[in-house]
Amino acid sequence: VQLVESGGGLVQPAGSLRLSCAASGFTFSSYNMNWVRQAPGKGLEWVSHISSGSSSIYYADSVKGRFTISRDNAKNSLYLQLNSLRAEDTAVYYCARASVTYSGVDYWGQGTLVTVSS
Amino acid sequence: QSVLTQPPSASGTPGQRVTISCSGSSSNIGSKSVNWYQQLPGTAPKLLIYSNNQRPSGVPDRFSGSKSGTSASLAISGLQSEDEADYYCAAWDDSLNGVVFGGGTKLTVL
Repeated sequence: VQLVESGGGLVQPAGSLRLSCAASGFTFSSYNMNWVRQAPGKGLEWVSHISSGSSSIYYADSVKGRFTISRDNAKNSLYLQLNSLRAEDTAVYYCARASVTYSGVDYWGQGTLVTVSS
Repeated sequence: QSVLTQPPSASGTPGQRVTISCSGSSSNIGSKSVNWYQQLPGTAPKLLIYSNNQRPSGVPDRFSGSKSGTSASLAISGLQSEDEADYYCAAWDDSLNGVVFGGGTKLTVL
């Protein structure tokens, strides 16, 4: 199982960014996926969840209306569109696979850093 | 403020047994299974315990988990220096429709 995030970087407040996660080593289309973030020196915060066929999507209240999760099963890829970014969105964003046998995340990517600053 | 409550720090000497608690509510730990993650400095989290008390392949049996009601615990026996890391509990929350994490416990091996 390999999850490789990309797309992070420095962006100004109110700006936008699109994160990608390339999945390999498993049947991507069979798994629900999540984005989880970690602000510098802070704990883990769940951001969003998408079911295997994109029929169920959930967001944390802190990002609802600003972030959009999506996936392309043909490309084995997960995405997170970040709009109206704020300083408090600065974090490492992890792509995380949900297990099919139990409730929870079983594999994590290495993360991509998003810095929101002027 | 995290939905699940963990002590911010824990410590022990090599060979000792340490436990880390995780407290939640009926909408998360009380009705869902608990998972634990280990995060070594500068790395991504790694699954340590799933479904309350199951160890993934490759995780030493020094690590064990338990759950009772709306609380869970992670125990580490025979503490080793390489166990120094941050530990997080997590569970799905039915009322929030998302994963909730504890604030993390920083384990120091003295």
